[in-house]
Amino acid sequence: QKEVEQNSGPLSVPEGAIASLNCTYSDRGSQSFFWYRQYSGKSPELIMFIYSNGDKEDGRFTAQLNKASQYVSLLIRDSQPSDSATYLCAPSIQGAQKLVFGQGTRLTINP
Amino acid sequence: DGGITQSPKYLFRKEGQNVTLSCEQNLNHDAMYWYRQDPGQGLRLIYYSQIVNDFQKGDIAEGYSVSREKKESFPLTVTSAQKNPTAFYLCASSIGAYPYNEQFFGPGTRLTVL
Repeated sequence: QKEVEQNSGPLSVPEGAIASLNCTYSDRGSQSFFWYRQYSGKSPELIMFIYSNGDKEDGRFTAQLNKASQYVSLLIRDSQPSDSATYLCAPSIQGAQKLVFGQGTRLTINP
Repeated sequence: DGGITQSPKYLFRKEGQNVTLSCEQNLNHDAMYWYRQDPGQGLRLIYYSQIVNDFQKGDIAEGYSVSREKKESFPLTVTSAQKNPTAFYLCASSIGAYPYNEQFFGPGTRLTVL
């Protein structure tokens, strides 16, 4: 089992709809979870982080965490073509100063 | 402007050569990281450093070396022992206070072996 699993996609969503990106992780001790967006040919940029079970909202983005199910998700409301990118899920490693990255989900928003 | 800089943006290497990729940050972050990304893949950790004069191997350290003589700088050397070095190399830094250890990335260096 991979440490972090994401559906590689591509995930195609019409403009204005909700995009739902999912991630499962194997380390039960992970305490913090990060979502990065990476445009083609560019470096990743941090868009959301979540530490507690439940939902965290920031503008059009909502991160959801369920530690019991070892599941974290990212919802993007009112999807825009500029949201088309690869989204990387990165849980922390328990007690360590490092993250482990999933392979990413490629999202395409269709006008 | 606070941030992370990497140079060069593009680098070409001949077989058998060592090359060094530069990474500098002025965010006053303690921890720094090097990742490798291959097309369509996620990020794989090469080396990381939590403090000056100390560093640890990541998942794919073979064929690479690093140093951390200054807090601001964490150069990566790709040696001739790395058999398939063509990839996108990313440097990141973090304040390092687990679990609030979000990482911020530089723009990357794209290395091609000729």
